[in-house]
Amino acid sequence: DAKTTQPNSMESNEEEPVHLPCNHSTISGTDYIHWYRQLPSQGPEYVIHGLTSNVNNRMASLAIAEDRKSSTLILHRATLRDAAVYYCIGGRKLTFGTGTRLQVTL
Amino acid sequence: GAVVSQHPSRVICKSGTSVKIECRSLDFQATTMFWYRQFPKQSLMLMATSNEGSKATYEQGVEKDKFLINHASLTLSTLTVTSAHPEDSSFYICSAREFAGVAYEQYFGPGTRLTVT
Repeated sequence: DAKTTQPNSMESNEEEPVHLPCNHSTISGTDYIHWYRQLPSQGPEYVIHGLTSNVNNRMASLAIAEDRKSSTLILHRATLRDAAVYYCIGGRKLTFGTGTRLQVTL
Repeated sequence: GAVVSQHPSRVICKSGTSVKIECRSLDFQATTMFWYRQFPKQSLMLMATSNEGSKATYEQGVEKDKFLINHASLTLSTLTVTSAHPEDSSFYICSAREFAGVAYEQYFGPGTRLTVT
């Protein structure tokens, strides 16, 4: 599984877009990139996943670099409920790194 | 998305006793389930991977005789913490994997908070 690197924390204002970056330079060609988020005292919640092409769903968009060494999770309009720790994972065995703690303020 | 449940959500047990945690995939069959442990303000740590009908594969440093995992059916896996000690107090989270035609999707349970007194 790929080692991932994410910023420890990020802040955003409510209603503004948020771009959460992730580096996964060792990812193999067939491994998917997964994003999960976790609220305090809860299990991780699936956000999105992709392989090569950019992906959109009702929660977020995932932009994957052409060389697949990095990706960006995009929350189009952050809300207070989006405050969580976001984990980027590369590979079949979901090994969690330290993630990015997103704070959303009014 | 698919739903994974855990029972109990919270448990308090005395040191030296054993406690069992159940993990169920409610609306799909999971050939593979995973158990994680999370200490306060830390990330999830994968403890073991279990495949239905076979022995679990434990991550390095996880005692297989202390953390007994049984995956007897495609919808149920159990984690038994044997002879629990206060240092075993943690948030235990299970996860179940479903093959969705193109890739695997993995869903997490809500977690079980274990407190050993």
